[in-house]
Amino acid sequence: NAGVTQTPKFRILKIGQSMTLQCTQDMNHNYMYWYRQDPGMGLKLIYYSVGAGITDKGEVPNGYNVSRSTTEDFPLRLELAAPSQTSVYFCASRYPTSGDTDTQYFGPGTRLTVL
Amino acid sequence: KNEVEQSPQNLTAQEGEFITINCSYSVGISALHWLQQHPGGGIVSLFMLSSGKKKHGRLIATINIQEKHSSLHITASHPRDSAVYICAVRRGSQGNLIFGKGTKLSVKP
Repeated sequence: NAGVTQTPKFRILKIGQSMTLQCTQDMNHNYMYWYRQDPGMGLKLIYYSVGAGITDKGEVPNGYNVSRSTTEDFPLRLELAAPSQTSVYFCASRYPTSGDTDTQYFGPGTRLTVL
Repeated sequence: KNEVEQSPQNLTAQEGEFITINCSYSVGISALHWLQQHPGGGIVSLFMLSSGKKKHGRLIATINIQEKHSSLHITASHPRDSAVYICAVRRGSQGNLIFGKGTKLSVKP
């Protein structure tokens, strides 16, 4: 299994540009998450999904959109990039269980700079 | 005040030392996670705890639900343990995580 994959690894955007961060998992997990990590801060939840066709806002959703048309894919869309969106973005997936295996699996991250 | 507080923020140790990283939280939780973020950026889950103590190799994690406190211990530390260690608590009906800011550990040879 490849686990959780993210593309691209790095990207530089100009203010006002748009882009989509891709996230794919091959573990058949129904839960998927998008986080951002800013220097010196904890990860913050942007959006999450509990299954195909179902998405919900997290703590910091403004400026972002998501969709979940399949179990495997959970893309994150930035419509009008702003410098405040400069961050490292992590995608994660999870299969809820009642035991010790209920954990999140993280992708390698996308480092985004908006200039 | 953050809902999840970690201490210390930074920690430098000599190889072989016993290391303790602390996590306190102020909300009701269903579980607590310890994660490791490598210098290259990747994040992996080390432990999930809802009570008691867990051990994996040289790593030990404990949780005291009444005191809302967890500790991560590393015995016989090694330079390869150098990483950021992140505490996260799970709460809510969807089980979303709230993360601490992390503890940056550097182990010198």
